[in-house]
Amino acid sequence: GENVEQHPSTLSVQEGDSAVIKCTYSDSASNYFPWYKQELGKRPQLIIDIRSNVGEKKDQRIAVTLNKTAKHFSLHITETQPEDSAVYFCAAPGSSNTGKLIFGQGTTLQVKP
Amino acid sequence: EAGVAQSPRYKIIEKRQSVAFWCNPISGHATLYWYQQILGQGPKLLIQFQNNGVVDDSQLPKDRFSAERLKGVDSTLKIQPAKLEDSAVYLCASGTTGGFNSPLHFGNGTRLTVT
Repeated sequence: GENVEQHPSTLSVQEGDSAVIKCTYSDSASNYFPWYKQELGKRPQLIIDIRSNVGEKKDQRIAVTLNKTAKHFSLHITETQPEDSAVYFCAAPGSSNTGKLIFGQGTTLQVKP
Repeated sequence: EAGVAQSPRYKIIEKRQSVAFWCNPISGHATLYWYQQILGQGPKLLIQFQNNGVVDDSQLPKDRFSAERLKGVDSTLKIQPAKLEDSAVYLCASGTTGGFNSPLHFGNGTRLTVT
């Protein structure tokens, strides 16, 4: 089936701390894993993505790691800032291999100044 | 490049009424998606188009929802008749051909409130 599980649903950290959000997927053939950030009342925006031929990708303070054996991938945000506060969604391709993305339930990140 | 355009931005209707949403994808993007995002949840795919053909509509409640993309560019999503549980943000997204291993670009969405 098509399922993406995301944890935790809420995460509160102090400014400067790290935040980690984890997602698991069900289709072992999945090979593309994006992360989206959605601020209140705004559209989801891509912040980083990873393809299955690499295990880790970094972009400044954010990184994504992928474990294909365990079928999970994680978003890591270091040196968190108040503007990182938002809802974060992971996604993975659907099993029908049509290019569609199945989204996780979302993680509300709160960074306390 | 111009982003995905959606209208209207907000819509309030009574249950059993009809409503239509419009989307204009990024120029050149062959794949177009309609997602429903209920408050506090992740986007849920309703329908996927490749040019003007439907690729996946398995999650579309076809007794009340319909969508079309007649010329392979703009798309409309219609709900008739609306129910209270249809209150959500309807997001349109577009992607490059096939969409494989490539991100989706979302519009700002239409927030629908059914009373």
